[in-house]
Amino acid sequence: GAVVSQHPSRVICKSGTSVKIECRSLDFQATTMFWYRQFPKQSLMLMATSNEGSKATYEQGVEKDKFLINHASLTLSTLTVTSAHPEDSSFYICSATKSKYQETQYFGPGTRLLVL
Amino acid sequence: SQQGEEDPQALSIQEGENATMNCSYKTSINNLQWYRQNSGRGLVHLILIRSNEREKHSGRLRVTLDTSKKSSSLLITASRAADTASYFCATDVGTASKLTFGTGTRLQVML
Repeated sequence: GAVVSQHPSRVICKSGTSVKIECRSLDFQATTMFWYRQFPKQSLMLMATSNEGSKATYEQGVEKDKFLINHASLTLSTLTVTSAHPEDSSFYICSATKSKYQETQYFGPGTRLLVL
Repeated sequence: SQQGEEDPQALSIQEGENATMNCSYKTSINNLQWYRQNSGRGLVHLILIRSNEREKHSGRLRVTLDTSKKSSSLLITASRAADTASYFCATDVGTASKLTFGTGTRLQVML
C-alpha cells in the first residue's frame, strides 16, 4: 500500500497566527514529499519539494520564510504557514514518492485552511 | 507557465455514456499521468503513459498520447455515477519527480 495522511483535515485560525500541517506516509518511507496549494475549482500549484534531511526547494514566487517546511524523518513532513492572513486561505495537499526514481505520487487527503 | 490546459473545463453526461477529456502541454515530457480528485479530497493516480507510448488501457480507462501535438486524452467508457470527480493530467519533465498539473476537467455523471 501507499497511504499518506494529513493532519489536521481542516483548520480555522485568526489572522497573524501560525498554523502547522503534518503530512505522514503511513506504510512506506518517503524520500521526497511535495506540498501543493489549490484554490477552489482550480488546479494544484506546486509550492515546494521536500527531501528528508535537507532544505526544501521552493517554487518561484513562494516565500520560504512564510511557508516553512521541515522534513525531519522519512515518514513526516510539516508545512507551517507563519503569520497567516486571509489570502493564505486555501486547500493544502501533500504528496510523497517512495523513491527519487518513482514517477507517480501518492497524495494526502488535503488540509483546508481558513484564516479569519 | 508550463501548466497544461484541459478541455472541456466541465463535462456532464448520462450514466453509461463515454467521457473524453483532453490535455495539452507545452514542453517535452518523460511521461504524462492522469489523476482523479473527488471534491475536497486528495488526488488518486489513475494511469501513467510514457513519452514513447501512444496508447494505454486500464480497466475502463483509455489514455492516448501524441507527443508531436503535445496532447493527451483520457477516455472513460461506460461511465458510472461514481466516476463524478475532477480529472487532472500531470506532466513529468524529469526534474526530481516534479509534476505540473493541468487545469482539470470536472466530470459529472448523472443517473
